Amino acid sequence: GAGVSQSPRYKVTKRGQDVALRCDPISGHVSLYWYRQALGQGPEFLTYFNYEAQQDKSGLPNDRFSAERPEGSISTLTIQRTEQRDSAMYRCASSLTTAEGNSPLHFGNGTRLTVT
Amino acid sequence: AQSVTQLDSQVPVFEEAPVELRCNYSSSVSVYLFWYVQYPNQGLQLLLKYLSGSTLVKGINGFEAEFNKSQTSFHLRKPSVHISDTAEYFCAVSVLYNFNKFYFGSGTKLNVKP
Repeated sequence: GAGVSQSPRYKVTKRGQDVALRCDPISGHVSLYWYRQALGQGPEFLTYFNYEAQQDKSGLPNDRFSAERPEGSISTLTIQRTEQRDSAMYRCASSLTTAEGNSPLHFGNGTRLTVT
Repeated sequence: AQSVTQLDSQVPVFEEAPVELRCNYSSSVSVYLFWYVQYPNQGLQLLLKYLSGSTLVKGINGFEAEFNKSQTSFHLRKPSVHISDTAEYFCAVSVLYNFNKFYFGSGTKLNVKP
């Protein structure tokens, strides 16, 4: 079946512009996660949702970053007034349940954001 | 706070040779442990996981890992690698009280040479 889909695949934007990154999780998956991966680093947690509720946003770097999942399916990560340091691969993942440790993450291919 | 250390950023190995990718973690509470693999231009895929029970866990593609609580390690091993195992491997942990929050290591690039 279809995996986690992220769009756009690549995004180049100018400093100061707002960007919206989209994630379409696997159908029926309860939990949805956003991670950021800098070059040469592992994924860094940003935020996650169970259904439409944002459960943890402790990883969002500052108030320019926000995320929503209004209907418990598709999610959007928005970065306002982008800065060059925001350049990274942004990865979305989903998991079937919230069951403790028993539901692996399924990752999308990511959105490569470049801020010029 | 939790952290994951993968000391080897790159591991070159010849085909059919054994390999071990090292992972150490730091946590004051009990953890779940995972290994993910990332092939070029793809998302991360789960290789194996340790939740509880036997400390030796087997995953896909012939990989296995052993949880060592005293050494806070979860090294990944394969007795004989293939060219197709060339990829980047990430170790990750989550903690019991916040198991939906995963902490990843910086990754190890495995380069299998013919």
